[in-house]
Amino acid sequence: NAGVMQNPRHLVRRRGQEARLRCSPMKGHSHVYWYRQLPEEGLKFMVYLQKENIIDESGMPKERFSAEFPKEGPSILRIQQVVRGDSAAYFCASSWGTGAYEQYFGPGTRLTVT
Amino acid sequence: KQEVTQIPAALSVPEGENLVLNCSFTDSAIYNLQWFRQDPGKGLTSLLLIQSSQREQTSGRLNASLDKSSGRSTLYIAASQPGDSATYLCAPAEGGSEKLVFGKGTKLTVNP
Repeated sequence: NAGVMQNPRHLVRRRGQEARLRCSPMKGHSHVYWYRQLPEEGLKFMVYLQKENIIDESGMPKERFSAEFPKEGPSILRIQQVVRGDSAAYFCASSWGTGAYEQYFGPGTRLTVT
Repeated sequence: KQEVTQIPAALSVPEGENLVLNCSFTDSAIYNLQWFRQDPGKGLTSLLLIQSSQREQTSGRLNASLDKSSGRSTLYIAASQPGDSATYLCAPAEGGSEKLVFGKGTKLTVNP
């Protein structure tokens, strides 16, 4: 059973470009979470999605960031018009259900904005 | 707002020692608490999950305890090995929102 998969593992974008980060949850998992780890800081929650629904986006910046988890295919975290401050490691986690279930993390996408 | 503190921030021990990592959180209304390890430049590996109704959980040389009412969890590592060197993260899952709230971690170095 493959774990949580994220791609690309490393992404370099120039200021003003768009970044698309993909996350495929573990087989059978329908809950996806995105977290961001800024340099020298702890991981911060961004958004929680179930298939076709955003459940909690309280950690998402109000502008330029969006997330989706379509009925078919991976979850996508999209960052428009990237700035240097967006450089970070972005981690995706998935779980089987709500509440008491363990979250399993992917290897992360390291975004560098030049 | 949930805040998580991990003490110590860094720890260096000789191989073979037993050690305790501490985690405290401000809001006791949690679903569960997970302990992770993170190796440099890598993702998170889940070590243990303690449900809010449980007091402790064990896996191999690892034992985690949870005192929800006082907002504390500890991770005990027995007979430490150089391969245990990593950053250890504590993350309670907020009740009602599913999200994990992370501390800044304890960076552990086990010297051969």
